[in-house]
Amino acid sequence: QSVLTQPPSVSGAPGQRVTISCTGSSSNIGAGYTVHWYQQLPGKAPKVIINGNTNRPSGVPDRLSASKSGTSASLAITGLQTEDEANYYCQSYDNSLSGFVFGTGTEVTV
Amino acid sequence: QVQLQESGPGLVKPSETLSLTCTVSGGSISNFYWSWIRQPPGKGLEWLGYVYNGGSTSYNPSLNSRVSMSVDTSKSQFSLKLTSVTAADTAVYFCARATSTFLSPVAYWGQGALVTVSS
Repeated sequence: QSVLTQPPSVSGAPGQRVTISCTGSSSNIGAGYTVHWYQQLPGKAPKVIINGNTNRPSGVPDRLSASKSGTSASLAITGLQTEDEANYYCQSYDNSLSGFVFGTGTEVTV
Repeated sequence: QVQLQESGPGLVKPSETLSLTCTVSGGSISNFYWSWIRQPPGKGLEWLGYVYNGGSTSYNPSLNSRVSMSVDTSKSQFSLKLTSVTAADTAVYFCARATSTFLSPVAYWGQGALVTVSS
């Protein structure tokens, strides 16, 4: 029962820009807890691509960026490439559940 | 480099208990939050809970007290038990660790273990 809502899918042509929203509430994103983003390729474990709301770990291309405002966050991918085809999840902490919460997941198609 | 590896039965009968162990290598098991996360086939990620150090835990309320987790520091292992399983518990189960605090991203993941609940 995800408490962070994402669009099921987004698509774009190579080179285009897509954005993925992550909508939460006052007990998670709106409470100020940081948002992290993960990329999951088929059959693989998720990989962190954004941590602490906006930070890219080493090795993650700067085509990926993220932001957070109020009870929502978003991930943007510019210069879309075929290698970006994957499922993407946001994640935060929820103080009413006293635990992690993941977004519902978004499939990106190029 | 920290590595995690899940182990346990891949098939569990309905109403029985699912038990998985995660072996940690390449780093200390002490002073970190160790989590279990699952993913039903074709669906999204669900956090099941975490266990810290000497045994303090936090579980997903949706599991209705069916879940328990523990750490064995002498073996560098932590474990998951999920009782009274049904077909809805069929999933890939990942053991994982946040970078530092429980608010950090989950930077370390096992490869995942598929557990099927079926008679």
